[in-house]
Amino acid sequence: GENVEQHPSTLSVQEGDSAVIKCTYSDSASNYFPWYKQELGKRPQLIIDIRSNVGEKKDQRIAVTLNKTAKHFSLHITETQPEDSAVYFCAARAGNQFYFGTGTSLTVIP
Amino acid sequence: DARVTQTPRDKVTEMGQEVTMRCQPILGHNTVFWYRQTMMQGLELLAYFRNRAPLDDSGMPKDRFSAEMPDATLATLKIQPSEPRDSAVYFCASGLGPSRGEQLFGPGTRLTVL
Repeated sequence: GENVEQHPSTLSVQEGDSAVIKCTYSDSASNYFPWYKQELGKRPQLIIDIRSNVGEKKDQRIAVTLNKTAKHFSLHITETQPEDSAVYFCAARAGNQFYFGTGTSLTVIP
Repeated sequence: DARVTQTPRDKVTEMGQEVTMRCQPILGHNTVFWYRQTMMQGLELLAYFRNRAPLDDSGMPKDRFSAEMPDATLATLKIQPSEPRDSAVYFCASGLGPSRGEQLFGPGTRLTVL
């Protein structure tokens, strides 16, 4: 089955700096890659996603890149703000099932 | 803004008691997932359904957990008997299957088994 690895597990950045979270996957058949943001005590919320036929997607301060050859995808947050502090999960869909990374705890220091 | 709903939001029970968690997927979504989240294990897939049929429940302890979809608007996850190690947040998520991709989560049920 699919195996998704996520790094780093924790990340601290100064407000206004950029944050990058990286994930790798193992199953070349995976074709959809969502990113979720989970604040303390809340549900994971979908913030951006990318399909395997696209290399990059951007939504305001958030962008995701996908390298199918290397089987890795990354989340980029620019101009970070304190409200970006949360745990971020990457996932890969293979067939019907979603496989999640272990999460990155992002802290944005004011 | 359609959302997945779950009840109860919090449940405290004693070891050995039966626990039933309910989920209402987004209307029109044909795929439903049950996840368990703990600090130690992260997000674990317990079971998922497509068009109400169970496709995979290999993540569930079979002797005590059961998942069903009695109709398209209701999914249930039952634990009988419950144990302290079952304490976790249980999330339901729904989506439109492989061709559409997106999966949206409910608010979760925080279960504490004493």
